[in-house]
Amino acid sequence: SQQGEEDPQALSIQEGENATMNCSYKTSINNLQWYRQNSGRGLVHLILIRSNEREKHSGRLRVTLDTSKKSSSLLITASRAADTASYFCATVTNRDDKIIFGKGTRLHILP
Amino acid sequence: DAGVIQSPRHEVTEMGQEVTLRCKPISGHDYLFWYRQTMMRGLELLIYFNNNVPIDDSGMPEDRFSAKMPNASFSTLKIQPSEPRDSAVYFCASSHGQGKAFFGQGTRLTVV
Repeated sequence: SQQGEEDPQALSIQEGENATMNCSYKTSINNLQWYRQNSGRGLVHLILIRSNEREKHSGRLRVTLDTSKKSSSLLITASRAADTASYFCATVTNRDDKIIFGKGTRLHILP
Repeated sequence: DAGVIQSPRHEVTEMGQEVTLRCKPISGHDYLFWYRQTMMRGLELLIYFNNNVPIDDSGMPEDRFSAKMPNASFSTLKIQPSEPRDSAVYFCASSHGQGKAFFGQGTRLTVV
């Protein structure tokens, strides 16, 4: 069963614009992670945010976590063509060590 | 480190045949996960191991699927007998503790 659900399912923006993707989950978590997957490749870890953290930055990435709303967002600033990929959120709960993924957001950066 | 290594990268087999997928995790990682990815169902967790011990196999779809981890550097996922609906990309991932997971490049399985 899937714990996280990304929104939107697909997103197309112009190069240079910011892209925001959201993730909602159901049960309490230990941490939440975001991954990127280029077509035909494995997933690559982007950022991990723990349940006691509210915001985290890594380069052009900004992740927020609201545990009261059970939601997270991933912001990619100044998007580039190379950012075209699928983005997944994944949760690790307090109950076990499983990493459960949502269905992802397909991001397309238009030149 | 070479990362998580999966083999084969592509596998085409006939219905009814046995299929074995292989994974070498990153040295020092204590968790290993097997996932299946399809367009319809997304990325499903099949089974995961901690220190070579299977912890949760509730995602394994049927008894036709089995997984082993005989040592810290090797795991297999076996499908016997295979069916066309098993066609998917199978990923292996490893992690240290509850941290980030490192994925292999996947095995694209086609059962005809």
